[in-house]
Amino acid sequence: EPEVTQTPSHQVTQMGQEVILRCVPISNHLYFYWYRQILGQKVEFLVSFYNNEISEKSEIFDDQFSVERPDGSNFTLKIRSTKLEDSAMYFCASRRNYGYTFGSGTRLTVV
Amino acid sequence: SQQGEEDPQALSIQEGENATMNCSYKTSINNLQWYRQNSGRGLVHLILIRSNEREKHSGRLRVTLDTSKKSSSLLITASRAADTASYFCATDALNVPNAGKSTFGDGTTLTVKP
Repeated sequence: EPEVTQTPSHQVTQMGQEVILRCVPISNHLYFYWYRQILGQKVEFLVSFYNNEISEKSEIFDDQFSVERPDGSNFTLKIRSTKLEDSAMYFCASRRNYGYTFGSGTRLTVV
Repeated sequence: SQQGEEDPQALSIQEGENATMNCSYKTSINNLQWYRQNSGRGLVHLILIRSNEREKHSGRLRVTLDTSKKSSSLLITASRAADTASYFCATDALNVPNAGKSTFGDGTTLTVKP
């Protein structure tokens, strides 16, 4: 069964550093998303991406964040100048019509 | 209350029993989805029910949707220890473009004791 692949599975970074979280969505999916989940909390929407542009973003997704689909397969989330409160699981998801396929997530720890 | 709230927050049952989790939401929806998350892992899509459907089955899962009450339930029959996980509902609001987000609830943590 097709999967959404995320790398790395765990990233530890110093506060203030930039990180890039990578995702390979399912190849025939059209819509791409980043969600995050702070430990023990609900899954929060960050951004959706369609037709090579952001279609919607949440209040969380401020200038610190950016997304790119640099080629036909990868979908990346860049977090500039990380803060302690950015520590969370970051999930990439894609879908063609309804119902997401999620990746396994990247656990980001900012120290 | 927020869009997509599950109750109970935590449920503990014995293996073989049925587990029922409920989800309430506030706005009109296109569809409602249920996901499962094992501790520290990603979300797995379980089942999607459209706004014009009232009940859907998938294996040991039964989902109902009552749009008049803006609520859904997930029933897991004959539970197993491996069903231990957190379960989330997520809604796609009506008239939101296909690229629009889903809104997730807080989740129900299910523990099935062997």
